[in-house]
Amino acid sequence: GAGVSQTPSNKVTEKGKYVELRCDPISGHTALYWYRQSLGQGPEFLIYFQGTGAADDSGLPNDRFFAVRPEGSVSTLKIQRTERGDSAVYLCASSQGTINEQFFGPGTRLTVL
Amino acid sequence: AQSVSQHNHHVILSEAASLELGCNYSYGGTVNLFWYVQYPGQHLQLLLKYFSGDPLVKGIKGFEAEFIKSKFSFNLRKPSVQWSDTAEYFCAVTPSSNTGKLIFGQGTTLQVKP
Repeated sequence: GAGVSQTPSNKVTEKGKYVELRCDPISGHTALYWYRQSLGQGPEFLIYFQGTGAADDSGLPNDRFFAVRPEGSVSTLKIQRTERGDSAVYLCASSQGTINEQFFGPGTRLTVL
Repeated sequence: AQSVSQHNHHVILSEAASLELGCNYSYGGTVNLFWYVQYPGQHLQLLLKYFSGDPLVKGIKGFEAEFIKSKFSFNLRKPSVQWSDTAEYFCAVTPSSNTGKLIFGQGTTLQVKP
């Protein structure tokens, strides 16, 4: 079956611009997660959703970052006024409930020039 | 705050050698523990997990890990590695009170020479 998909696979933007990253979870998965992975580091938790609501957004680094999941399926991570330090691979994962295995997508590589 | 430490950043082994990757976590409460693997060009995928019960956990591809509560450790082992085990390995933990929040270590790159 289809796994977690993320679009775009690569995004290059200029400092100060706004970007949106999309995640399509596995069908039927109720929980959806966003992580950020910088070069040479492990994934860093950003936020997770249980259904439509954000259950834990403690990992969002500042108010430039925002994520939504309006219908409990697709999610969008939004970054305003991008900075060079936002350059990383943004990973999305989904699971059936939060105690089950998280299935990861291929990630979106964001480069801020 | 919870944290995970992986002692080895880069490990190079010959085929058939034994593997042990160290992982320690920092958290005072009950945790769930995981090892994830990322093969070159592929997504992160689960190798094995520990929630409760037998502290020796067996995963896919002959990997196992042992949870030692007194040492806050969850080391990954494999008796005989293969070239196809070349990958990056991540240890991760979630507090049992917040199972949605995976905290990852910085990863260990394993290179197996044929």
